[in-house]
Amino acid sequence: AQSVTQLGSHVSVSEGALVLLRCNYSSSVPPYLFWYVQYPNQGLQLLLKYTTGATLVKGINGFEAEFKKSETSFHLTKPSAHMSDAAEYFCAVMGGNNRLAFGKGNQVVVIP
Amino acid sequence: NAGVMQNPRHLVRRRGQEARLRCSPMKGHSHVYWYRQLPEEGLKFMVYLQKENIIDESGMPKERFSAEFPKEGPSILRIQQVVRGDSAAYFCASSPGLAGEETQYFGPGTRLLVL
Repeated sequence: AQSVTQLGSHVSVSEGALVLLRCNYSSSVPPYLFWYVQYPNQGLQLLLKYTTGATLVKGINGFEAEFKKSETSFHLTKPSAHMSDAAEYFCAVMGGNNRLAFGKGNQVVVIP
Repeated sequence: NAGVMQNPRHLVRRRGQEARLRCSPMKGHSHVYWYRQLPEEGLKFMVYLQKENIIDESGMPKERFSAEFPKEGPSILRIQQVVRGDSAAYFCASSPGLAGEETQYFGPGTRLLVL
């Protein structure tokens, strides 16, 4: 079965600093990987995804992630944090029957 | 193009009542998924439906929960005889169901509170 591990439920970052959210996955098949962002009392918005091809994936709002098969990782980064990046971020891997298995999420706090 | 729509956005029920959650997928999408988000947890898969078919209900509790996606109208997640532990945010997602179109697009969720 597919699964995702996201460490550190709360992540604090200074405005203008690097944002780094770690995601490690387990999958018995070549993985399809996703990062979603959730703002308070809203649904999930897709940030970016990896299916096949280029391992460095660029998404919306300046985020990018790199698929590293050898490390079973799909870490999310953004060079410079903005106040509007404060939200919860979820990594997910797609399993059989298109089921998404989500990590527990990272609550990002941006410090002015 | 409207996104995935869910209603109601908030639902309050007393223990023992029924809860009905509705989901209208994005236009052109024929696959619907339901997920549940409990406090302090990520989202957990519940059920995957196509029109008039349940494809995968492995994440659904065996009792009190049911889902449907009729030929016409929205998908419905039904919870009978609700208990306090059913309090959660329930999210619906949809996808086109085409090869190479795996992305699931999420609705705003229904937040169920059981008193």
